[in-house]
Amino acid sequence: DSGVTQTPKHLITATGQRVTLRCSPRSGDLSVYWYQQSLDQGLQFLIQYYNGEERAKGNILERFSAQQFPDLHSELNLSSLELGDSALYFCASSHGSGANVLTFGAGSRLTVL
Amino acid sequence: GQQVMQIPQYQHVQEGEDFTTYCNSSTTLSNIQWYKQRPGGHPVFLIQLVKSGEVKKQKRLTFQFGEAKKNSSLHITATQTTDVGTYFCTNAGGTSYGKLTFGQGTILTVHP
Repeated sequence: DSGVTQTPKHLITATGQRVTLRCSPRSGDLSVYWYQQSLDQGLQFLIQYYNGEERAKGNILERFSAQQFPDLHSELNLSSLELGDSALYFCASSHGSGANVLTFGAGSRLTVL
Repeated sequence: GQQVMQIPQYQHVQEGEDFTTYCNSSTTLSNIQWYKQRPGGHPVFLIQLVKSGEVKKQKRLTFQFGEAKKNSSLHITATQTTDVGTYFCTNAGGTSYGKLTFGQGTILTVHP
């Protein structure tokens, strides 16, 4: 157990739907990162939050949004889902906002049918 | 952002053979991190290199950071089936915001 908790572990939904993925960072960590991993794209950085504020943005689609709450947990919202959104979504956390070591959660596997 | 390229993309070895994966960047990296992801698992941090020319060892794993801080390598001596997985390198960001861009990874298969 890495200390980073992600729910749900698996999610199957239909195109056009909206889902929310949840992440609780490791105790004491203030930064949360979201990554998308698909077979042909490797690990793609989506977005980072630090202590409730957005700090860095990667290749995150406009259909996707995220936030970090006062208790430091984070949610990644994916809307108007497409088949190509099927992937493993990882959350990672670190203590600081800079170039820190990341602790990854087990991931949420999203399947869009 | 900074891009890191990894080669090879795939590597198949017989158990006991050595394995090396390389990470290259067109720009100078402030530091570099290596992660390992077992099949069906999540990436796990292995090591961070910061200094030019730095070499670190973890048992059978040797990590190097190039003198120009534009490349890095991970070498595994006498591979074992437990070494199977994907090895990623990542720039640990050139900004204070820690935007970690991962390479495509090298998928290592070890045949017993």
